[in-house]
Amino acid sequence: NAGVMQNPRHLVRRRGQEARLRCSPMKGHSHVYWYRQLPEEGLKFMVYLQKENIIDESGMPKERFSAEFPKEGPSILRIQQVVRGDSAAYFCASSMDRETNQPQHFGDGTRLSIL
Amino acid sequence: KQEVTQIPAALSVPEGENLVLNCSFTDSAIYNLQWFRQDPGKGLTSLLLIQSSQREQTSGRLNASLDKSSGRSTLYIAASQPGDSATYLCALNTGGFKTIFGAGTRLFVKA
Repeated sequence: NAGVMQNPRHLVRRRGQEARLRCSPMKGHSHVYWYRQLPEEGLKFMVYLQKENIIDESGMPKERFSAEFPKEGPSILRIQQVVRGDSAAYFCASSMDRETNQPQHFGDGTRLSIL
Repeated sequence: KQEVTQIPAALSVPEGENLVLNCSFTDSAIYNLQWFRQDPGKGLTSLLLIQSSQREQTSGRLNASLDKSSGRSTLYIAASQPGDSATYLCALNTGGFKTIFGAGTRLFVKA
């Protein structure tokens, strides 16, 4: 499967625990974007990363959230000390380069539920 | 600040009907506009991408138009089918790294 792979598909955590969401971009893509989708809302940009670099994290909450895209392995979105309001679908997208005429390809998302 | 609005929020039509989904935006300074389809529990599938310099794009039964001066885009679906039932999202790239999404139109095509 050459598409964007996200895992897990569903993740359940209790308040105060940590959530780790993983994203493997399409083959040949070195640009990764994370979005959050709340119920009945559109997707909201969180962070844009290239290999080993965070380019734009202006959409990510300042506390508890972090993202990385190491040289080897998938991109990770990490949420520490989760709260009920973190319950959402988190989508990852990738693109081949930063040119704005290149479409982003999306994964199927991780649905995070906080008990 | 760029805002994207999609109307209607939900739409139910009988099979075979032609339909139009609307997307409006507040700032005409855009790089491109993209229409996506989202099925329940799934990610987004890109349908059509219109560059800023283009007026429309077509793919099969789908046609998307872009009018920057009026801040509008439409997605036209011809001869709708039950398999077209999904949420359709409009998304703008304003030249930065962020893509700004509308809340979507939920389409249901009745057999």
